[in-house]
Amino acid sequence: EIVMTQSPATLSVSPGERATLSCRASQSVSSNLAWYQQKPGQAPRLLIYGASTRATDIPARFSGSGSGTEFTLTISSLQSEDFAVYYCQQCNNWLYTFGQGTKLEIK
Amino acid sequence: EVQLVESGGGLVQPGGSLRLSCAASGFTFNNYAMNWVRQAPGKGLEWVSTISGSGGTSNYADSVKGRFTISRDNSKNTLYLRMNSLRAEDTAVYYCAMGASGYVYYWGQGTLVTVSS
Repeated sequence: EIVMTQSPATLSVSPGERATLSCRASQSVSSNLAWYQQKPGQAPRLLIYGASTRATDIPARFSGSGSGTEFTLTISSLQSEDFAVYYCQQCNNWLYTFGQGTKLEIK
Repeated sequence: EVQLVESGGGLVQPGGSLRLSCAASGFTFNNYAMNWVRQAPGKGLEWVSTISGSGGTSNYADSVKGRFTISRDNSKNTLYLRMNSLRAEDTAVYYCAMGASGYVYYWGQGTLVTVSS
C-alpha cells in the first residue's frame, strides 16, 4: 500500500496571503495525484487531478505541482471560502489511498 | 446534472450486516467506475472499494477485504456495498463517488453507518 503523508497538519494563514500544502508518497505515483477540498458538513470537492490540472470550475488561484513522490498544492491569494481541510490522493494503482489531510485555518 | 444519492445507512450491532445503495443520475452510468469512500467521525477520508463500469473488476482496501462486496446494476443505475461482519471501526459516513482513473469527480452527500451494541 502506498502511504500518503501531508504536511503540515494545520496551516494558519491570513486572507490574501499564499498557502503552500505538501503531500509526499511512500513510493512513486508518477503524476497520478489528486487534491480535494472539504468543508465542515460537506462532501469533498475535486480541485486538482493529474497533479496539476484544475478540475471544472476551480479558480485559477489553485495550482498543483510535482511528480514522483513530492507534490504541492498552492493557493495564491487566500479567500475566506478557502479555509477548509485539504486531502491528497494517489491514483497510481487500484488502492487509491488518501493523505491524512491538512487543515487550513485563518490566522 | 450529476446526482448520487446514498441510502441504507443506520445503526447495526457488531458482527451484523448492512447493504448500502447509491442511485445515480445525470450521466451514462456504465461508462464510469464507481467508488465507496468513507470517513470516520472527525477523521480523514479512506478509500474503501472501486468497481469498473462493466462491473467485471473490483478492488478493496485491506481493511474491508473479505467482508465487504461492491456491486452495481447498470440497468438500474445503482451502486451497492454489502457489508458483513461489521466492526466498531467501520463506523463512518460512506460516500458514493463517481470518477475515472481513480479520480473522484462527483460525490454523494453520504450515509452514516454506526456499528454499536
